[in-house]
Amino acid sequence: DADVTQTPRNRITKTGKRIMLECSQTKGHDRMYWYRQDPGLGLRLIYYSFDVKDINKGEISDGYSVSRQAQAKFSLSLESAIPNQTALYFCATSDPRRGSFSTDTQYFGPGTRLTVL
Amino acid sequence: TQLLEQSPQFLSIQEGENLTVYCNSSSVFSSLQWYRQEPGEGPVLLVTVVTGGEVKKLKRLTFQFGDARKDSSLHITAAQPGDTGLYLCAGSNTGNQFYFGTGTSLTVIP
Repeated sequence: DADVTQTPRNRITKTGKRIMLECSQTKGHDRMYWYRQDPGLGLRLIYYSFDVKDINKGEISDGYSVSRQAQAKFSLSLESAIPNQTALYFCATSDPRRGSFSTDTQYFGPGTRLTVL
Repeated sequence: TQLLEQSPQFLSIQEGENLTVYCNSSSVFSSLQWYRQEPGEGPVLLVTVVTGGEVKKLKRLTFQFGDARKDSSLHITAAQPGDTGLYLCAGSNTGNQFYFGTGTSLTVIP
């Protein structure tokens, strides 16, 4: 079984709908991240969480919210989806016990392809 | 936003050829990582470099961190079809974020 799983893998929705993307991990890592990937722009950080009580905005948090329900679960919500949120979304985890953040290894899930019509 | 520019954006080569991918920024980073991403999957870490001028080798892949820690390169010797994928660099400063580059899509033709 995969260490980092994302559901759903694909989703098509309409403008204005509320959408939740879920991420679960079995790696026992405290740190979790949500990124979006757009062609030609690489990955951009939306939110990150260093433990259950710690939530931080990333580079592009507007229009998104997150919930860290447990160490293993980190959900991303689009309260009112718009077409420019069409993208590939990735969840990732990392383990702070292996050293400083700058040398963290991030483990990515398989991604969720979201299309907003 | 600290922008990391990668070049070339697309690269298509024959099996056995050598290639170099570049990752450049005007910002200084405390570390630089390279990831490879295959279709339908998330990125997978290849290497982390932390010292200016550092060179790391991973089989046929050679990674170098610039002396000023603003740029990096990835050189692949004798490319194979299994090297096909999207290569991403990512830089970290003193904050708690990695900033990803724009990506280089590599296709190795058998």
